[in-house]
Amino acid sequence: AQSVSQHNHHVILSEAASLELGCNYSYGGTVNLFWYVQYPGQHLQLLLKYFSGDPLVKGIKGFEAEFIKSKFSFNLRKPSVQWSDTAEYFCAVNAGGTYKYIFGTGTRLKVLA
Amino acid sequence: DAGVTQSPTHLIKTRGQQVTLRCSPISGHKSVSWYQQVLGQGPQFIFQYYEKEERGRGNFPDRFSARQFPNYSSELNVNALLLGDSALYLCASSSERDLAQGNYGYTFGSGTRLTVV
Repeated sequence: AQSVSQHNHHVILSEAASLELGCNYSYGGTVNLFWYVQYPGQHLQLLLKYFSGDPLVKGIKGFEAEFIKSKFSFNLRKPSVQWSDTAEYFCAVNAGGTYKYIFGTGTRLKVLA
Repeated sequence: DAGVTQSPTHLIKTRGQQVTLRCSPISGHKSVSWYQQVLGQGPQFIFQYYEKEERGRGNFPDRFSARQFPNYSSELNVNALLLGDSALYLCASSSERDLAQGNYGYTFGSGTRLTVV
């Protein structure tokens, strides 16, 4: 069965610190990979997605993620976080050819001003 | 362009009751999916509908059912509510053109917060 693991459940950083959130998935076939963000009181928003091609994907708000197929990983990074990045971040996997997303349990990020 | 709209935004029900949640997809989107997000967890897939046909179903009991209407809006019904059904129910839509192009990025609504007491 497919699964997604987000190892960091809570992360606290100071502004300007660098961010890396881990995401590992278990599925041997073709996958589409996503990071979603949920700001307090708001709906899930797509940060970035990977389907094929360049494994380094750039998204909105300065976020990027790298797909490492050999490690089944899709870690999210940002060089310098801001207070406004405080939110919950979800990694999601969609097995190629299906419409179902498998989400991780989420990582709550708090950025201290 | 309106996003995915869900109603109601909040709902309180008693155990054993039935509830209907509604979703209107983005104009032109024919695919609607439903997810359940329990506090502290990621969203869990419940159903996906396209052109009024069920395309996929997650690991949920038969108390959960859904349907899609000719205008592509959708309803999620839950019968015989349990305390454990308390969650945020999310609706997501996508266009078939996007899917055909490999763009599987769904747009999510703000959800319906269901509390069962």
